[in-house]
Amino acid sequence: GNSVTQMEGPVTLSEEAFLTINCTYTATGYPSLFWYVQYPGEGLQLLLKATKADDKGSNKGFEATYRKETTSFHLEKGSVQVSDSAVYFCALKELTGGGNKLTFGTGTQLKVEL
Amino acid sequence: KAGVTQTPRYLIKTRGQQVTLSCSPISGHRSVSWYQQTPGQGLQFLFEYFSETQRNKGNFPGRFSGRQFSNSRSEMNVSTLELGDSALYLCASSTGQGGGETQYFGPGTRLLVL
Repeated sequence: GNSVTQMEGPVTLSEEAFLTINCTYTATGYPSLFWYVQYPGEGLQLLLKATKADDKGSNKGFEATYRKETTSFHLEKGSVQVSDSAVYFCALKELTGGGNKLTFGTGTQLKVEL
Repeated sequence: KAGVTQTPRYLIKTRGQQVTLSCSPISGHRSVSWYQQTPGQGLQFLFEYFSETQRNKGNFPGRFSGRQFSNSRSEMNVSTLELGDSALYLCASSTGQGGGETQYFGPGTRLLVL
């Protein structure tokens, strides 16, 4: 079956530091890949996505590249801010068979300090 | 456009009771998916409804059920509540076209079972 593996958190960084959150996946087909962010007490917000190999998703300074050869979709940001503190989820969706079923990783909590 | 809304936001029930949660999707969206979020199991897919039909189902017992109305609003029901059903229940809506389309999440309903 499909699965997503994320690095354990929490990740604690100083403001303006470089961020990498690792994400690897296992899928039987050719999935679309997503990063969602969850702020305290809220639902999930889409951060970025990529739908095919070598696509780069980007939003609000965050980037992730769909690497089929390493089955990875690592999230990066060059300079984090305190307001980036949240839980980040990597997810995949199979494109075959139709329907919407997201398979999520366990989430990585990011804490950014001044 | 209004986002995905979920009611109620918070709910306290006792073991053995049943509960109904409601989700109103973004206008024009025909697909509604439900997810359960717990600290131990993370985010798990419950089921998806599209045009009033269940299109996908996760690995949850039959106590968990749902339905969708002609206006795309969806409800999920949990019967004979157990302590382990305490969780944040999230719904997500999308157009239902599949592929790499984005699912938009609501703020969730937090259920506590005592």
